[in-house]
Amino acid sequence: AQSVSQHNHHVILSEAASLELGCNYSYGGTVNLFWYVQYPGQHLQLLLKYFSGDPLVKGIKGFEAEFIKSKFSFNLRKPSVQWSDTAEYFCALVYSSASKIIFGSGTRLSIRP
Amino acid sequence: DGGITQSPKYLFRKEGQNVTLSCEQNLNHDAMYWYRQDPGQGLRLIYYSQIVNDFQKGDIAEGYSVSREKKESFPLTVTSAQKNPTAFYLCASSIGGQGSQPQHFGDGTRLSIL
Repeated sequence: AQSVSQHNHHVILSEAASLELGCNYSYGGTVNLFWYVQYPGQHLQLLLKYFSGDPLVKGIKGFEAEFIKSKFSFNLRKPSVQWSDTAEYFCALVYSSASKIIFGSGTRLSIRP
Repeated sequence: DGGITQSPKYLFRKEGQNVTLSCEQNLNHDAMYWYRQDPGQGLRLIYYSQIVNDFQKGDIAEGYSVSREKKESFPLTVTSAQKNPTAFYLCASSIGGQGSQPQHFGDGTRLSIL
Protein backbone atom coordinates (compact mmCIF):
# COMPACT_ATOMS: atom_id res chain seq x y z
CA ALA A 1 0.00 0.00 0.00
CA GLN A 2 1.10 3.54 -0.67
CA SER A 3 2.24 5.19 2.55
CA VAL A 4 4.34 7.92 4.08
CA SER A 5 6.48 7.22 7.13
CA GLN A 6 7.73 9.69 9.67
CA HIS A 7 9.71 7.66 12.16
CA ASN A 8 10.39 10.45 14.64
CA HIS A 9 7.23 11.01 16.63
CA HIS A 10 8.66 13.59 19.02
CA VAL A 11 11.93 15.46 18.68
CA ILE A 12 13.31 17.71 21.41
CA LEU A 13 16.12 20.13 20.62
CA SER A 14 17.79 23.13 22.14
CA GLU A 15 17.79 26.46 20.35
CA ALA A 16 20.49 26.77 17.65
CA ALA A 17 20.69 23.01 17.20
CA SER A 18 20.44 21.59 13.70
CA LEU A 19 17.29 19.76 12.69
CA GLU A 20 16.59 16.88 10.38
CA LEU A 21 13.16 15.21 10.28
CA GLY A 22 12.85 12.02 8.31
CA CYS A 23 10.21 11.25 5.69
CA ASN A 24 10.11 8.10 3.58
CA TYR A 25 7.51 6.82 1.16
CA SER A 26 6.72 3.36 0.00
CA TYR A 27 6.29 3.43 -3.77
CA GLY A 28 8.69 4.45 -6.50
CA GLY A 29 6.36 6.15 -8.92
CA THR A 30 6.39 9.81 -9.83
CA VAL A 31 5.56 11.82 -6.75
CA ASN A 32 4.95 15.38 -5.62
CA LEU A 33 6.12 15.98 -2.07
CA PHE A 34 5.16 18.46 0.62
CA TRP A 35 6.00 19.44 4.15
CA TYR A 36 3.26 21.09 6.19
CA VAL A 37 3.61 22.70 9.61
CA GLN A 38 1.02 23.17 12.34
CA TYR A 39 2.01 25.72 14.98
CA PRO A 40 0.21 25.50 18.32
CA GLY A 41 -3.33 26.78 17.96
CA GLN A 42 -2.97 27.47 14.25
CA HIS A 43 -4.07 25.74 11.09
CA LEU A 44 -1.86 23.60 8.91
CA GLN A 45 0.18 25.57 6.43
CA LEU A 46 2.54 24.69 3.61
CA LEU A 47 6.23 24.82 4.47
CA LEU A 48 7.68 23.73 1.13
CA LYS A 49 6.97 21.52 -1.86
CA TYR A 50 8.80 19.52 -4.52
CA PHE A 51 7.26 18.82 -7.92
CA SER A 52 10.29 18.47 -10.21
CA GLY A 53 13.70 19.97 -10.96
CA ASP A 54 16.30 20.72 -8.31
CA PRO A 55 15.87 18.07 -5.61
CA LEU A 56 16.95 20.54 -2.93
CA VAL A 57 14.01 22.82 -2.24
CA LYS A 58 13.90 25.82 0.04
CA GLY A 59 10.83 26.82 1.98
CA ILE A 60 9.76 29.47 4.41
CA LYS A 61 11.52 30.32 7.67
CA GLY A 62 14.87 28.84 6.66
CA PHE A 63 13.64 25.29 6.12
CA GLU A 64 14.80 23.12 3.24
CA ALA A 65 14.22 19.56 2.12
CA GLU A 66 16.05 17.20 -0.17
CA PHE A 67 14.35 14.69 -2.43
CA ILE A 68 16.49 11.55 -2.79
CA LYS A 69 14.72 9.32 -5.25
CA SER A 70 16.98 6.31 -4.68
CA LYS A 71 16.16 6.36 -0.97
CA PHE A 72 12.46 7.28 -1.35
CA SER A 73 13.11 10.10 1.09
CA PHE A 74 12.26 13.77 1.51
CA ASN A 75 13.89 14.83 4.76
CA LEU A 76 13.29 18.26 6.23
CA ARG A 77 16.26 20.25 7.52
CA LYS A 78 17.07 23.51 9.23
CA PRO A 79 20.64 24.44 10.25
CA SER A 80 19.69 26.33 13.41
CA VAL A 81 16.28 26.02 15.06
CA GLN A 82 14.50 28.68 17.08
CA TRP A 83 12.01 28.39 19.89
CA SER A 84 9.32 29.58 17.46
CA ASP A 85 9.84 26.42 15.38
CA THR A 86 7.98 24.44 18.04
CA ALA A 87 5.18 22.80 16.05
CA GLU A 88 4.01 19.58 14.48
CA TYR A 89 5.43 18.78 11.06
CA PHE A 90 3.71 16.61 8.47
CA CYS A 91 5.23 15.11 5.38
CA ALA A 92 2.81 14.45 2.54
CA LEU A 93 2.86 13.23 -1.01
CA VAL A 94 0.68 12.69 -4.02
CA TYR A 95 1.39 10.12 -6.70
CA SER A 96 0.95 11.20 -10.29
CA SER A 97 -1.50 8.36 -10.80
CA ALA A 98 -3.63 9.39 -7.83
CA SER A 99 -5.80 12.35 -6.97
CA LYS A 100 -5.40 12.61 -3.22
CA ILE A 101 -2.66 13.50 -0.82
CA ILE A 102 -1.29 10.98 1.65
CA PHE A 103 -0.04 12.38 4.95
CA GLY A 104 2.50 10.98 7.35
CA SER A 105 1.69 10.60 11.03
CA GLY A 106 3.51 13.80 11.96
CA THR A 107 6.54 14.71 14.07
CA ARG A 108 6.16 16.93 17.09
CA LEU A 109 9.11 19.27 17.47
CA SER A 110 9.77 20.87 20.84
CA ILE A 111 12.48 23.49 21.19
CA ARG A 112 13.99 24.29 24.58
CA PRO A 113 14.71 28.02 24.93
CA ASP B 1 -8.98 37.75 3.13
CA GLY B 2 -9.66 34.48 1.39
CA GLY B 3 -9.65 31.33 3.38
CA ILE B 4 -11.47 28.37 4.81
CA THR B 5 -13.95 28.72 7.65
CA GLN B 6 -14.90 25.76 9.78
CA SER B 7 -17.64 25.91 12.36
CA PRO B 8 -18.18 25.32 15.13
CA LYS B 9 -14.74 25.22 16.73
CA TYR B 10 -15.95 22.79 19.40
CA LEU B 11 -18.85 20.39 19.11
CA PHE B 12 -20.35 17.91 21.51
CA ARG B 13 -22.45 14.97 20.43
CA LYS B 14 -24.68 12.67 22.38
CA GLU B 15 -24.66 8.96 21.74
CA GLY B 16 -26.83 8.05 18.75
CA GLN B 17 -26.96 11.58 17.40
CA ASN B 18 -25.91 12.84 13.98
CA VAL B 19 -23.97 16.09 13.83
CA THR B 20 -22.90 18.23 10.89
CA LEU B 21 -19.64 20.13 10.64
CA SER B 22 -19.56 23.15 8.40
CA CYS B 23 -16.79 24.05 5.94
CA GLU B 24 -16.95 27.11 3.71
CA GLN B 25 -14.24 28.49 1.40
CA ASN B 26 -14.03 31.73 -0.57
CA LEU B 27 -10.87 30.80 -2.46
CA ASN B 28 -12.79 29.68 -5.56
CA HIS B 29 -11.13 26.28 -5.23
CA ASP B 30 -12.60 23.33 -7.09
CA ALA B 31 -11.48 20.61 -4.71
CA MET B 32 -12.37 20.19 -1.05
CA TYR B 33 -11.36 17.58 1.50
CA TRP B 34 -12.22 16.34 4.98
CA TYR B 35 -9.58 14.85 7.23
CA ARG B 36 -9.63 13.38 10.68
CA GLN B 37 -6.62 14.04 12.90
CA ASP B 38 -5.90 11.72 15.81
CA PRO B 39 -2.79 11.83 18.02
CA GLY B 40 0.04 9.81 16.50
CA GLN B 41 -1.91 9.01 13.33
CA GLY B 42 -1.55 12.17 11.33
CA LEU B 43 -4.30 13.13 8.92
CA ARG B 44 -6.59 10.51 7.46
CA LEU B 45 -8.80 11.32 4.51
CA ILE B 46 -12.54 10.88 5.07
CA TYR B 47 -14.08 12.25 1.87
CA TYR B 48 -13.04 14.52 -0.96
CA SER B 49 -14.76 16.35 -3.76
CA GLN B 50 -13.12 17.50 -6.96
CA ILE B 51 -16.15 19.27 -8.36
CA VAL B 52 -19.63 20.36 -7.36
CA ASN B 53 -22.17 17.54 -7.02
CA ASP B 54 -19.45 14.91 -6.98
CA PHE B 55 -17.47 13.37 -4.13
CA GLN B 56 -15.46 10.24 -3.38
CA LYS B 57 -14.77 8.20 -0.29
CA GLY B 58 -11.39 8.52 1.31
CA ASP B 59 -9.64 5.99 3.52
CA ILE B 60 -12.02 6.12 6.50
CA ALA B 61 -15.43 7.08 5.09
CA GLU B 62 -17.53 4.65 7.15
CA GLY B 63 -19.90 6.46 9.49
CA TYR B 64 -19.59 9.77 7.65
CA SER B 65 -21.48 11.47 4.85
CA VAL B 66 -20.95 14.63 2.80
CA SER B 67 -22.63 16.79 0.19
CA ARG B 68 -21.28 19.28 -2.33
CA GLU B 69 -24.23 21.30 -3.60
CA LYS B 70 -22.22 24.51 -3.86
CA LYS B 71 -18.61 25.10 -4.84
CA GLU B 72 -17.85 26.97 -1.63
CA SER B 73 -19.44 24.54 0.81
CA PHE B 74 -18.59 20.96 1.82
CA PRO B 75 -20.40 19.95 5.04
CA LEU B 76 -19.52 16.73 6.82
CA THR B 77 -22.09 14.74 8.79
CA VAL B 78 -20.84 12.42 11.50
CA THR B 79 -23.53 9.79 11.83
CA SER B 80 -24.41 7.57 14.75
CA ALA B 81 -22.78 4.73 12.82
CA GLN B 82 -19.36 6.25 13.48
CA LYS B 83 -18.30 4.35 16.60
CA ASN B 84 -15.36 6.48 17.58
CA PRO B 85 -16.12 10.03 16.47
CA THR B 86 -14.09 11.89 19.07
CA ALA B 87 -11.36 13.61 17.04
CA PHE B 88 -10.15 16.82 15.46
CA TYR B 89 -11.66 17.36 12.00
CA LEU B 90 -9.91 19.42 9.35
CA CYS B 91 -11.35 20.73 6.12
CA ALA B 92 -9.09 21.68 3.22
CA SER B 93 -9.33 22.91 -0.33
CA SER B 94 -7.08 23.12 -3.36
CA ILE B 95 -7.22 24.79 -6.77
CA GLY B 96 -7.26 21.54 -8.70
CA GLY B 97 -8.49 18.12 -7.75
CA GLN B 98 -5.46 16.14 -8.78
CA GLY B 99 -3.71 16.49 -5.46
CA SER B 100 -0.73 18.26 -6.97
CA GLN B 101 -1.69 21.65 -5.65
CA PRO B 102 -0.95 22.57 -2.07
CA GLN B 103 -3.96 22.36 0.13
CA HIS B 104 -5.27 25.21 2.27
CA PHE B 105 -6.62 24.20 5.66
CA GLY B 106 -9.27 25.50 8.02
CA ASP B 107 -8.77 25.86 11.76
CA GLY B 108 -10.59 22.63 12.53
CA THR B 109 -13.50 21.42 14.61
CA ARG B 110 -12.95 19.36 17.74
CA LEU B 111 -15.75 16.86 18.24
CA SER B 112 -16.33 15.19 21.59
CA ILE B 113 -18.89 12.66 22.74
CA LEU B 114 -20.94 13.34 25.86
